Amino acid sequence: GAVVSQHPSWVICKSGTSVKIECRSLDFQATTMFWYRQFPKQSLMLMATSNEGSKATYEQGVEKDKFLINHASLTLSTLTVTSAHPEDSSFYICSAIPGLNTEAFFGQGTRLTVV
Amino acid sequence: GDSVTQMEGPVTLSEEAFLTINCTYTATGYPSLFWYVQYPGEGLQLLLKATKADDKGSNKGFEATYRKETTSFHLEKGSVQVSDSAVYFCALLPKAAGNKLTFGGGTRVLVKP
Repeated sequence: GAVVSQHPSWVICKSGTSVKIECRSLDFQATTMFWYRQFPKQSLMLMATSNEGSKATYEQGVEKDKFLINHASLTLSTLTVTSAHPEDSSFYICSAIPGLNTEAFFGQGTRLTVV
Repeated sequence: GDSVTQMEGPVTLSEEAFLTINCTYTATGYPSLFWYVQYPGEGLQLLLKATKADDKGSNKGFEATYRKETTSFHLEKGSVQVSDSAVYFCALLPKAAGNKLTFGGGTRVLVKP
């Protein structure tokens, strides 16, 4: 199947700093990418939908100024957690789809710990 | 709105036991249905899918049948292995534009040797 690569797999940062997470579709062009957050032992919570070349659409309750999403090309989307705080510590997962009504392919996730 | 309900875990069973994870959904129209598996510390992997009523998805010994009449997509495996220990997510994808998956809460499965 198609491969989505997420980087880094884990990151530890100091409170107040910013962290960038990359999501790449390696063998297909992704018209849409999605960013999720997952708390321990819980399901995935959709944060935002990212379409190449346009602004991301954020779900209700997600701070767009805190979670900056850029989808500069058909194979790369980035999530930047700005001014991170300990409560932002979580597992972040991206997914990408090659076209409408197609299955989603997921990255391996990024474990963010803010100290 | 669309929703997916799956049985709460954890489900603990012995190797070679039969596994069933119930999943029911609420959606307008006829969505595509998926089962994803998540191993510790990893993202999600597609396990199987079904795109229309009565379709049966199967992979790695797992099966699930799209039942329109009961709005269900239960996951089954006849003989589990320790390596099947993971969290399993049922999800639906509506046919309408948007491509947003709706996930169930996940079911943790622990297989003991």
